[in-house]
Amino acid sequence: TQLLEQSPQFLSIQEGENLTVYCNSSSVFSSLQWYRQEPGEGPVLLVTVVTGGEVKKLKRLTFQFGDARKDSSLHITAAQPGDTGLYLCAGARNNQGGKLIFGQGTELSVKP
Amino acid sequence: SAVISQKPSRDICQRGTSLTIQCQVDSQVTMMFWYRQQPGQSLTLIATANQGSEATYESGFVIDKFPISRPNLTFSTLTVSNMSPEDSSIYLCSANLRGDIRIVETQYFGPGTRLLVL
Repeated sequence: TQLLEQSPQFLSIQEGENLTVYCNSSSVFSSLQWYRQEPGEGPVLLVTVVTGGEVKKLKRLTFQFGDARKDSSLHITAAQPGDTGLYLCAGARNNQGGKLIFGQGTELSVKP
Repeated sequence: SAVISQKPSRDICQRGTSLTIQCQVDSQVTMMFWYRQQPGQSLTLIATANQGSEATYESGFVIDKFPISRPNLTFSTLTVSNMSPEDSSIYLCSANLRGDIRIVETQYFGPGTRLLVL
């Protein structure tokens, strides 16, 4: 059973297009992290969201945490080839010893 | 944030041998974790490395195959024992730290070790 459903799993778009990645769960998370990973490297933390309804912006990236803290989205405006990579959402729950539950990942390719 | 390093960055090994991967964090951390990842796919947690006690393994992973050490608050090792080609993967260590969001701990990752077993 996948506790954190991430979609889409693959996305290939042209430079300048917008996109949204979704992470959904039936469980409540105390926090949710988004990571980006490039080939040959480890995941790099983009943002942590904690409060229900929270919206955070990181340049062209907008992250939202659902009001009920069960879902999250990542929206990229005017995608660039440098945005290409594997995007991972990961949720933390209370009393889980700091462990994260990862989504399946979204492989994004932005073509020039 | 934290600087997490791993050694080796990659290796090619013969089946039946063992490889020990080292993970070093530049600050003391409470929790350290070991993951496995196939290229382009999500992460699978192998175990939580506990300082001063045995590691806690996830379902499908056992200590005899993946012995873990955690001698102090900044260092851990993962050994992949009696390797087979199915063990070819990326192995990642991570650590929980209180970063910019001080009310929660956030997990930071090392660069990974790319293992190919022939």
